[in-house]
Amino acid sequence: KQEVTQIPAALSVPEGENLVLNCSFTDSAIYNLQWFRQDPGKGLTSLLLIQSSQREQTSGRLNASLDKSSGRSTLYIAASQPGDSATYLCAVFLYGNNRLAFGKGNQVVVIP
Amino acid sequence: SAVISQKPSRDICQRGTSLTIQCQVDSQVTMMFWYRQQPGQSLTLIATANQGSEATYESGFVIDKFPISRPNLTFSTLTVSNLSPEDSSIYLCSVEEAETYEQYFGPGTRLTVT
Repeated sequence: KQEVTQIPAALSVPEGENLVLNCSFTDSAIYNLQWFRQDPGKGLTSLLLIQSSQREQTSGRLNASLDKSSGRSTLYIAASQPGDSATYLCAVFLYGNNRLAFGKGNQVVVIP
Repeated sequence: SAVISQKPSRDICQRGTSLTIQCQVDSQVTMMFWYRQQPGQSLTLIATANQGSEATYESGFVIDKFPISRPNLTFSTLTVSNLSPEDSSIYLCSVEEAETYEQYFGPGTRLTVT
């Protein structure tokens, strides 16, 4: 069974610092990995999608890397802003059963 | 990317009643998914809804408790029946892009059962 772990579970950083969020998964037979943002009580917003053949994806201040062989992904958010405060979820799409397996999220607070 | 809307956005219901949640997509999609997110937890897949066939339920979820309809390629409903406080959660629908399997989510329905 695929297990997805996100570390740290929660973190607070001062505005302007770079954020580093980690995601690990136990089964490397994934089709892709997706990072989402969730604001309290709201739905999920897709941030970045990395296909299994790719090493990284970038969108603005966000950069996500994928090391499939070691079962790791990292989301970098440069120059954090208070508006980046949210929970960030990592999910892997699995070959075979065509299901998303989610981590529990990294809860981020950016302090002005 | 698909744009998904859900109704209602939130509701407070009494135990023993039912709530039907609607999910509308702005494009035709083959598969729609329903998730539950209990307080402080991550997302759990309830079922997959294909148009023209019965929904496929994940382990621990049954049709009597979570009946699903999928009348066409842009719309689905999830009913949560015989509500109890343990059903208090955010319910989300999602769709996937056929070629990349990228997932898109609706804004969620926040259900509180009293």
